[in-house]
Amino acid sequence: GAVVSQHPSRVICKSGTSVKIECRSLDFQATTMFWYRQFPKQSLMLMATSNEGSKATYEQGVEKDKFLINHASLTLSTLTVTSAHPEDSSFYICSARNAGTGSGNTIYFGEGSWLTVV
Amino acid sequence: GENVEQHPSTLSVQEGDSAVIKCTYSDSASNYFPWYKQELGKGPQLIIDIRSNVGEKKDQRIAVTLNKTAKHFSLHITETQPEDSAVYFCAASKGGGSYIPTFGRGTSLIVHP
Repeated sequence: GAVVSQHPSRVICKSGTSVKIECRSLDFQATTMFWYRQFPKQSLMLMATSNEGSKATYEQGVEKDKFLINHASLTLSTLTVTSAHPEDSSFYICSARNAGTGSGNTIYFGEGSWLTVV
Repeated sequence: GENVEQHPSTLSVQEGDSAVIKCTYSDSASNYFPWYKQELGKGPQLIIDIRSNVGEKKDQRIAVTLNKTAKHFSLHITETQPEDSAVYFCAASKGGGSYIPTFGRGTSLIVHP
């Protein structure tokens, strides 16, 4: 199946610093990517929808100035957590929609990124 | 908007038994229903999906059924194995390129050897 790569898989950063997470679709072009946050034993919480070449659409309650999303190409979206604090520690997951002809708009997830802010 | 309910939240079975997870959705315009398996510490992995033009789809030990009239769909796993233990998420979406899928809250499946 289609592959979505997320990097880094684990990152530890100091409080007050920024950290960037990359999401790449390896074998298809993704006009739309999604960013989720997941707390332990809970469901996926949609943070924002990222469309190539335009500004991301954030869900209610998600601070767009804190969680910067960039979708500069059809295969790459990035999430930057700015001025990170311990409460930002979480599992962040991206997904990408394969909108190619015959793909059925199937959505594939990345492997996730564990962020720990110390 | 769409609302997806998933049951049960936890399912415990013995190895070799069958497991069934059920989801209901509210928006009759939804026509794409994927299922994802999430192992501990990993991202969800697409295991099977169904579109509204079919009522059932099977892939080896897993199958999905869809009842559009009742607006519910189910995941069936036969001959369960310990490696099937994971959290399973259902989702519902309209099939176009601009729609956001709505996920269920997940089912934690535990298969006891």
